[in-house]
Amino acid sequence: GAVVSQHPSRVICKSGTSVKIECRSLDFQATTMFWYRQFPKQSLMLMATSNEGSKATYEQGVEKDKFLINHASLTLSTLTVTSAHPEDSSFYICSALENTGELFFGEGSRLTVL
Amino acid sequence: GENVEQHPSTLSVQEGDSAVIKCTYSDSASNYFPWYKQELGKGPQLIIDIRSNVGEKKDQRIAVTLNKTAKHFSLHITETQPEDSAVYFCAASRGSGNTGKLIFGQGTTLQVKP
Repeated sequence: GAVVSQHPSRVICKSGTSVKIECRSLDFQATTMFWYRQFPKQSLMLMATSNEGSKATYEQGVEKDKFLINHASLTLSTLTVTSAHPEDSSFYICSALENTGELFFGEGSRLTVL
Repeated sequence: GENVEQHPSTLSVQEGDSAVIKCTYSDSASNYFPWYKQELGKGPQLIIDIRSNVGEKKDQRIAVTLNKTAKHFSLHITETQPEDSAVYFCAASRGSGNTGKLIFGQGTTLQVKP
């Protein structure tokens, strides 16, 4: 089956720094990718929809200047958490939509901000 | 917008017994209802899904039922095994086919005791 890869799987950074997380569709092209955030023992909350070649669409309450999304190619979307703070510590998960309509999730990236 | 409620939040069953998890949704336009299994520290994995033109779907030990009138759908796992222990999420999506913009339920932690 199709594979979606996220990198890094774990990252620890200091408060105030920026962190970039990559989401790649390995064997298919994905015009649309989605970014979710999951706090411990909670559900996945949709942050934004990433469309190749255009600006991301953010969900209500998600700061677009805080969470920069770039979908520069049909196989790569990146999420950059800018000026990260401890409250940004979370599990970030991406998903990619194949042209058949099937959706594939990545393995997630755990961000810890000290 | 869409709201998905999931119950119970935790479920403990004896190996071999059945487990049932229920979800309700609010948006009558939702037409795609997947169920995901998430193991600790990993991304969600699709285990079964159902579309609004179908009332029931079965795949070996797993089945999903949908009641469009009542706006609820359920996951049924029969002959549970210890490896079924995980967090299960229901989700709902609006639009033609699977748009990928999923709204997740709160999750159910299933524990299967050997």
